Amino acid sequence: DTAVSQTPKYLVTQMGNDKSIKCEQNLGHDTMYWYKQDSKKFLKIMFSYNNKELIINETVPNRFSPKSPDKAHLNLHINSLELGDSAVYFCASSQEGGGRGYTFGSGTRLTVV
Amino acid sequence: QKEVEQDPGPLSVPEGAIVSLNCTYSNSAFQYFMWYRQYSRKGPELLMYTYSSGNKEDGRFTAQVDKSSKYISLFIRDSQPSDSATYLCAMSANNNNDMRFGAGTRLTVKP
Repeated sequence: DTAVSQTPKYLVTQMGNDKSIKCEQNLGHDTMYWYKQDSKKFLKIMFSYNNKELIINETVPNRFSPKSPDKAHLNLHINSLELGDSAVYFCASSQEGGGRGYTFGSGTRLTVV
Repeated sequence: QKEVEQDPGPLSVPEGAIVSLNCTYSNSAFQYFMWYRQYSRKGPELLMYTYSSGNKEDGRFTAQVDKSSKYISLFIRDSQPSDSATYLCAMSANNNNDMRFGAGTRLTVKP
């Protein structure tokens, strides 16, 4: 059983489109995250949700909107996609504030053409 | 200055070598320190975590934290080709769900 699963794994879309990435965790963790990894492998936090409540919202364009229907799911909606949005997006989850580490999904490789 | 600095490498070593990977940081509030391994086209995988200063050993891996110098290290003994991956350091303050990552060091262990 996959602990943190993301879909889709690959996403190729045109500029201006709206797309969603889904994430689910079956670990019983109470906090979930979205990270963006650029071409240089740098991981940057975008959002963090604790029990469906937004707790971290970094400087991310408001075209990106997370939605957490319950504590096991955190989806990412992106409107009006731009070329610069091309990256790998990782979902992660943790317990107890994350001090003992996060469990990451396998990533969604988004390419905007 | 970035909060967490990590030499991106690449680092190439022969099989069996001892590998030393390092990160420095600027935020003295960081108390939780982690190392992740990321294989190509996979998600990061937690290798080790430590709290505050000191050493922690797990098999061939040893993590060290020196808070006075704001410096953390990961040592890999008897390195194997299967250790070839990108290693990311990460740290947070106050167990507050806000983990900051280094840029990652790409390691290749040659047979």
